Amino acid sequence: QITLKESGPTLVKPTQTLTLTCTFSGFSVSTSGVGVGWIRQPPGKALEWLALIYWNDDKRYSPSLKSRLTITKDTSKNQVVLTVTNMDPVDTATYYCAHSPYDFLIGPLYYFDYWGQGTLVTVSS
Amino acid sequence: DIVMTQSPDSLAVSLGERATISCKSSQSVLYSPNNKNYLAWYQQKAGQPPKLLIYWASTRESGVPDRFSGSVSGTDFTLTISSLQAEDVAVYYCQQYYTSPFTFGGGTKVEIK
Repeated sequence: QITLKESGPTLVKPTQTLTLTCTFSGFSVSTSGVGVGWIRQPPGKALEWLALIYWNDDKRYSPSLKSRLTITKDTSKNQVVLTVTNMDPVDTATYYCAHSPYDFLIGPLYYFDYWGQGTLVTVSS
Repeated sequence: DIVMTQSPDSLAVSLGERATISCKSSQSVLYSPNNKNYLAWYQQKAGQPPKLLIYWASTRESGVPDRFSGSVSGTDFTLTISSLQAEDVAVYYCQQYYTSPFTFGGGTKVEIK
C-alpha cells in the first residue's frame, strides 16, 4: 500500500525559504522507475506542477519556478524534500507530494497516481 | 507551455444522468511513435487530494467505476460520467503529461441538480 505525507511549516514570512518534506511508504525511491513529484494548489484555484525527482536522481522543474526550486531525495529515510526560496504571498497554497509511475518501455509517465493529503502553507508577514 | 482549457467551469446534473466535461489542449499531446495521448483526468472531492481516474486519455485507473470514461478527438478530450452518483460531486481536472511543464486544466465543478 502506497502512502505519502507532507510535512513542513504552515506559516512562512515573505522572502523566507520554504522546506517541505514528503515521507512515503510502500515504495522506495531507490527502486528503478520510482518518481516523486510536488504539485501545489492555491485556495480555490487549480493545480500547478512544480517538480519531479526519479530514482536515478533525474530531476524536472517547472520552468517558471525553476530558479526558486530544489528537489532532493533521502533514500535511507524514504523522503523527498522540496525547497522554495524567496516565498511570496502568491505562493500561499496547499502543497502535495505524489508518486509518479514509470513505464520501462516508454519511460517516465509524468502523471500522478498516489497523492498525499497535502499541507497548507500560508505566506504572510 | 501547453494550455489546457476546460469547459464548462461548472455543471449541475440530475442523479442518474450523464455528465460531460471537456478539455482542450493548445497543441497536440499525441506521441506518434506509440499513438498515445498523454492526457490524464483527476477527481478532487472537497477537502481531499486529487484522485487519478484516467490516463492515456481513456484508460481507467484500477478501481475506478466504469461509469467514468475518457475519449479524444484531436486535441479535444472528454470525460464522461454515464450515470451521475451522489459520490461523484467533485471538481475534475485534466492534465497533459506530454511535455514540461506538465499543465493542468482549470477544473470543472460537478454538482447535483
